[in-house]
Amino acid sequence: GEDVEQSLFLSVREGDSSVINCTYTDSSSTYLYWYKQEPGAGLQLLTYIFSNMDMKQDQRLTVLLNKKDKHLSLRIADTQTGDSAIYFCADFHGGKLIFGQGTELSVKP
Amino acid sequence: SAVISQKPSRDICQRGTSLTIQCQVDSQVTMMFWYRQQPGQSLTLIATANQGSEATYESGFVIDKFPISRPNLTFSTLTVSNMSPEDSSIYLCSVGVEGGGEQYFGPGTRLTVT
Repeated sequence: GEDVEQSLFLSVREGDSSVINCTYTDSSSTYLYWYKQEPGAGLQLLTYIFSNMDMKQDQRLTVLLNKKDKHLSLRIADTQTGDSAIYFCADFHGGKLIFGQGTELSVKP
Repeated sequence: SAVISQKPSRDICQRGTSLTIQCQVDSQVTMMFWYRQQPGQSLTLIATANQGSEATYESGFVIDKFPISRPNLTFSTLTVSNMSPEDSSIYLCSVGVEGGGEQYFGPGTRLTVT
């Protein structure tokens, strides 16, 4: 079945850029998503990208999609301590979202 | 966007009892989903609930354990029946548009079974 993989941890300094990576196996993906989950909270939709796009930018967030390599990344510019959270990549497959394990981003002052 | 609320936000329940979780959306949506997030884990889809039809359950989830109602286009309930400690999780309601696009989540219900 469809699989979505992420690295588990990322640590950056405040003000640096963060890049969170995700790989997926579904060659027929239509949409790919990035969600943010802060401690004790639900999932916040950060951004999503349609599969015919290579890049999407929204303020500090840049999403890059490489369909050939089935690789998705989320770049956060000027990372702040408030960006510390778990970031989930998800693939829309078969009418449902398939989630990665989540990447815990730690931002050090 | 869609604003989703869930009740209760958290609960502690005795094993063997049942809990019904409510999900309310501020606009009419066709597709509603229920997910489970076990402690320290990612999210797993329990079932898809479309108005006017029976819920569709994922492998490993059954209607007797997780009955779902979808009486209209803005509301759904998920019941966790005959609970055991293994049911301790966060249960999240989600809504989306057919074919993908924006998919939003509620704040979740944090369930602890003792």
